[in-house]
Amino acid sequence: TQLLEQSPQFLSIQEGENLTVYCNSSSVFSSLQWYRQEPGEGPVLLVTVVTGGEVKKLKRLTFQFGDARKDSSLHITAAQPGDTGLYLCAGAQNSGGSNYKLTFGKGTLLTVNP
Amino acid sequence: DTGVSQNPRHKITKRGQNVTFRCDPISEHNRLYWYRQTLGQGPEFLTYFQNEAQLEKSRLLSDRFSAERPKGSFSTLEIQRTEQGDSAMYLCASSSIRGFNSPLHFGNGTRLTVT
Repeated sequence: TQLLEQSPQFLSIQEGENLTVYCNSSSVFSSLQWYRQEPGEGPVLLVTVVTGGEVKKLKRLTFQFGDARKDSSLHITAAQPGDTGLYLCAGAQNSGGSNYKLTFGKGTLLTVNP
Repeated sequence: DTGVSQNPRHKITKRGQNVTFRCDPISEHNRLYWYRQTLGQGPEFLTYFQNEAQLEKSRLLSDRFSAERPKGSFSTLEIQRTEQGDSAMYLCASSSIRGFNSPLHFGNGTRLTVT
């Protein structure tokens, strides 16, 4: 059973289109992080959301954390070929004491065609 | 900030051989993590260290896997008697101790192919 479900798994769109990807779970997270990964490289952090209902914007990217802190979405406006990559969400849960562990979803592979 | 460095970038080995990977974290980061990623999957947690102490190991980490972080600096991940199912990208990440919203800084991984 996947703790974090990401959808869609694959998305291919044309330059200029808008898109939304989702990260859902039945578990509550202390925080949720979004990463972007390019082929042959490690994931790079885009944003961390902490508060239920929180919305963060990073240029053309808008991130939202669900009110119950169980889900999140990433919306990209006017997608560009440079946005192509694997988008991963990762939820932080307490694993004992002050220790937290990040669990990743499978990711959404986005391709933006010029 | 020179980033997280992993060596080697690629490793091809025959089934049954032992392999060792190295990770050099960002120097001021206390926590170091190992993840494994296969094609079409997100990174799967293997283990993590706070300084030199190994605090948690995943059930994915069989007896053939061992990780060390002597002196709380670099870390090594060794796989003994490799199997074809061990083929994957092994990612190392580091973070500072700031609690649940501390981001992970990943290296570019070591891609292992077991033939």
